[in-house]
Amino acid sequence: NAGVTQTPKFQVLKTGQSMTLQCAQDMNHEYMSWYRQDPGMGLRLIHYSVGAGITDQGEVPNGYNVSRSTTEDFPLRLLSAAPSQTSVYFCASSRFEGQEWGSPLHFGNGTRLTVT
Amino acid sequence: SQQGEEDPQALSIQEGENATMNCSYKTSINNLQWYRQNSGRGLVHLILIRSNEREKHSGRLRVTLDTSKKSSSLLITASRAADTASYFCATDYYGGSQGNLIFGKGTKLSVKP
Repeated sequence: NAGVTQTPKFQVLKTGQSMTLQCAQDMNHEYMSWYRQDPGMGLRLIHYSVGAGITDQGEVPNGYNVSRSTTEDFPLRLLSAAPSQTSVYFCASSRFEGQEWGSPLHFGNGTRLTVT
Repeated sequence: SQQGEEDPQALSIQEGENATMNCSYKTSINNLQWYRQNSGRGLVHLILIRSNEREKHSGRLRVTLDTSKKSSSLLITASRAADTASYFCATDYYGGSQGNLIFGKGTKLSVKP
């Protein structure tokens, strides 16, 4: 049982380049999300999805695109990388139990991105 | 915007001692969760406490929730070197989509052997 798998683990980009961070989960979770973690800032939500074909913006969506064509995969695209996007990116998934009930998030091990 | 704030930012104790971390939040919530993050790894869920619960236990972990004070605490009893990690509280926010958690900045716990 792999859980949430993120690739690559590390990536260095030049300003203006684009790339896709991959995220896959094998738990049949309806909910998936992307967070970025910066020193002293905690985790901030970028985009999320409550099911295949449904995506929405989080707190810091600018410069990122997502799509959800299958339940398993939720890739994050950087359209034109900027140094401000240097960060550690985490993908997470959970079952959908309803707003009042809540459900634990399962995290991948992250992608460390540096933009020069 | 930050919802949860952990206190202290860093905590250093000896093995066998108890560690207490606090979390304060700003708005009404449905539930609050605690996560652990080992260096270079993803976050791991520890415990979830709902707004109608006051205390919850899981092994050496004890979590309390006081909705009137908008605060929670995480107690780790008889700490071990392996408990060395950062600990985060996370809240949903009333009216938001389930799963969209707001994380605090974390408490860095160091347990010395």
